[in-house]
Amino acid sequence: DVKVTQSSRYLVKRTGEKVFLECVQDMDHENMFWYRQDPGLGLRLIYFSYDVKMKEKGDIPEGYSVSREKKERFSLILESASTNQTSMYLCAVQPLGDGARKTDTQYFGPGTRLTVL
Amino acid sequence: QKEVEQNSGPLSVPEGAIASLNCTYSDRGSQSFFWYRQYSGKSPELIMSIYSNGDKEDGRFTAQLNKASQYVSLLIRDSQPSDSATYLCAVYSGTYKYIFGTGTRLKVLA
Repeated sequence: DVKVTQSSRYLVKRTGEKVFLECVQDMDHENMFWYRQDPGLGLRLIYFSYDVKMKEKGDIPEGYSVSREKKERFSLILESASTNQTSMYLCAVQPLGDGARKTDTQYFGPGTRLTVL
Repeated sequence: QKEVEQNSGPLSVPEGAIASLNCTYSDRGSQSFFWYRQYSGKSPELIMSIYSNGDKEDGRFTAQLNKASQYVSLLIRDSQPSDSATYLCAVYSGTYKYIFGTGTRLKVLA
């Protein structure tokens, strides 16, 4: 089973604070993703990473940055939190398949409900 | 804009009935299709994946894919109150690109 953990289930921050959300996987999976989920808007991709130090912007990267210094850890950073970043943040992992064949399946961490006041 | 469409519901079914959830997608190049269950306040949990036309069964769940008509559905047999959740349809088009529907809320009435 793929195990994905996130640093906090609930987080409350003030406007302008720098916020770090961390995601950790238990295997050597290459592909990791950060989404936010808002009512009526579904899941929207913020960033993904396909290897250490490698990242690509998703659909809504503005106001966010990411860091992947080790394969098992993918961090989402809100440089200066704003109230419109109040959301559920979900980390996902896409594991390798058998041998070198990637599977297409994503597995999600438990999520972080962030409130920015 | 590539899209995945789901009826938001709620879809209400009595306990023991079959629940039928539907999803349509716009990208004909989509390769892989997924159904996730999400309880309120929790993260999505994978139920089924399907890659080729036809039916795929796993316990009480059956996923159906029709690429020509660009729809994928999920049938839940013998629905239980514990099946009450939001069901997300997701489509993978390659190159790390997943498109999610906004989900259908299912209520199973005891």
